Amino acid sequence: AQTVTQSQPEMSVQEAETVTLSCTYDTSESDYYLFWYKQPPSRQMILVIRQEAYKQQNATENRFSVNFQKAAKSFSLKISDSQLGDAAMYFCAYRSAGGNDMRFGAGTRLTVKP
Amino acid sequence: EAGVAQSPRYKIIEKRQSVAFWCNPISGHATLYWYQQILGQGPKLLIQFQNNGVVDDSQLPKDRFSAERLKGVDSTLKIQPAKLEDSAVYLCASSFGQGVYEQYFGPGTRLTVT
Repeated sequence: AQTVTQSQPEMSVQEAETVTLSCTYDTSESDYYLFWYKQPPSRQMILVIRQEAYKQQNATENRFSVNFQKAAKSFSLKISDSQLGDAAMYFCAYRSAGGNDMRFGAGTRLTVKP
Repeated sequence: EAGVAQSPRYKIIEKRQSVAFWCNPISGHATLYWYQQILGQGPKLLIQFQNNGVVDDSQLPKDRFSAERLKGVDSTLKIQPAKLEDSAVYLCASSFGQGVYEQYFGPGTRLTVT
């Protein structure tokens, strides 16, 4: 079964600085999707960014970008110009292209210091 | 566009009691998911519906959990009887389809079993 590992339970960043959250996954499949979700305190989970495995180009959404290393099975999230509103739990998730199950990592709690 | 609605937001019950959660997905979303998120962990898929049919319930503890999505719109998740280890946040999500489609999450129901 596919597993998703987030090795950083907590991270902190100074406002306006850049931070990178790590994620690795284990799979034998070649076609799949990867996601980063953000869960602010007491608020609902929202999608930050997604990556299709067949695309070599790294996805970018404004201040959020990923470093997708397919061979290394690594999918890190970079947040540039961090803002106080970025403080949240961040979950990395994997989904097989042909399957239904979305596998989530345990999450990384990001603190943004003013 | 209205988001995913869930009720109740909080529920406290004693072990061996029963409880039900309700979810109303975004209009037009054919796929509906129920996740269990235990404190400190990422969400775990319990069951996935495509319209009113079950696509995946492999991780649903069927001896005590049940779910239905009559008419392919809103859904209920029931636990009977509840155990202490069922204490968690139960998240409902919906998407237009499967695969790469974004899942939109509701605010969740926090269940405490005493």
